[in-house]
Formats: sequence, C-alpha cells, structure tokens
Amino acid sequence: KAGVTQTPRYLIKTRGQQVTLSCSPISGHRSVSWYQQTPGQGLQFLFEYFSETQRNKGNFPGRFSGRQFSNSRSEMNVSTLELGDSALYLCASSLQGHEQFFGPGTRLTVL
Amino acid sequence: DQQVKQNSPSLSVQEGRISILNCDYTNSMFDYFLWYKKYPAEGPTFLISISSIKDKNEDGRFTVFLNKSAKHLSLHIVPSQPGDSAVYFCAASLLNSGGSNYKLTFGKGTLLTVNP
Repeated sequence: KAGVTQTPRYLIKTRGQQVTLSCSPISGHRSVSWYQQTPGQGLQFLFEYFSETQRNKGNFPGRFSGRQFSNSRSEMNVSTLELGDSALYLCASSLQGHEQFFGPGTRLTVL
Repeated sequence: DQQVKQNSPSLSVQEGRISILNCDYTNSMFDYFLWYKKYPAEGPTFLISISSIKDKNEDGRFTVFLNKSAKHLSLHIVPSQPGDSAVYFCAASLLNSGGSNYKLTFGKGTLLTVNP
C-alpha cells in the first residue's frame, strides 16, 4: 500500500506571495492532519480534516487554511507569506485512530 | 503552554547499551501516548504507543513505560544500534469531546546518537 505523498517536496517563495501544498493520504484513510515543523518549536498542529470537514484547528493565523476533497486528498494554503513561515510542512493520515502516518513533508523557504 | 515536554534536546549512547528517552506531560486528559522517529529529510515514522490505562508496552527492542502519577513516560531501546540515530518525538493524543477523532500534541524532540 502506498504511503502518504506530498507535493512539492521543496518550494522557494518570496514574502507576500501565497503557496499551496498538496497531500495524498494512504488509500482508505479519511483523516488528514497538517503540522508545521520548525527547529525551535518542534511539530505544531495546524488543522485536521475528515470527510471534507475541518474537525480540529491549531493556533495559527487565518493566513493558514486548508481543504479536503472527496477523494480525501488535502491541500493547505498560506497567503501573504512571512519569513517566519519557512518550515517543513508535514501531512499525516489516519484511519480514525491514534496512529498517524506521515508523509515526507514539503520544505518551504520564504525569502 | 507546552503540554508535552522533552527536556533533553540530545542524548549520546554507545552501541549495545540502553537508550532512555524521557517525556513529561501536563494534561491528565491525554488518553494515548506515542513515540515517533524522524530521520533528516523524512517524515516521522510511528514507533510504539501506549494507552493511558497501561504502564508498559514492549515491541522488540523498544519498550515504553508510563507513570501516570508522575505524568511521565519513557522509551527504552535495548540494545541500541547506530541505525537508531535519529530525532525521537513523544506525542500525546486527546480524544475530542465528540469521541470521534484524535489530535496529537508533540514534544520538541530528542536527538539520539548511537556511537559504534
């Protein structure tokens, strides 16, 4: 069974731009969560989607948004990029349980 | 407020010896605890977990101990191998009020280096 895939793997943007990241969960998994990893803060929860509905949201500004499609694929969008948004963005999928399976991440660099 | 804390940013052990990684938490409502391992340029991979109703779970070389009264858990790796060198994250799961989904709260990680 294929794992969680994320595209693109690397991205360079400039301040003020917006970016869209994509995540395809493991087949059959309907829950998709997004995390931001930075050296100083570890993994921080952004939001979680299940059946196209956002069920949980972390403490991030409204510039961070997401959505989930009927095939469970998910996208997250960051608008008006800031230097501090440079991070590894991780997507994880799960089958309604505690264990989440992570993708390789998208490394975003904001210049 | 950091609800899951890994107070040791790094740990170095010799191959064949025991590695003990520690994690403390503050929220007594956490119902499940997990350990993830992360190599550079890869996503975290699930290692082992423990329910809050248990105090020990073992899987091969990996054992997780939970002390609920102290709000402390630890991961023991015996024997340690050079391939175990990675960042280890402790995570805690909280069932939402609807009883239908889980949110993971992570510690900041501990870099384990196993020297040959």
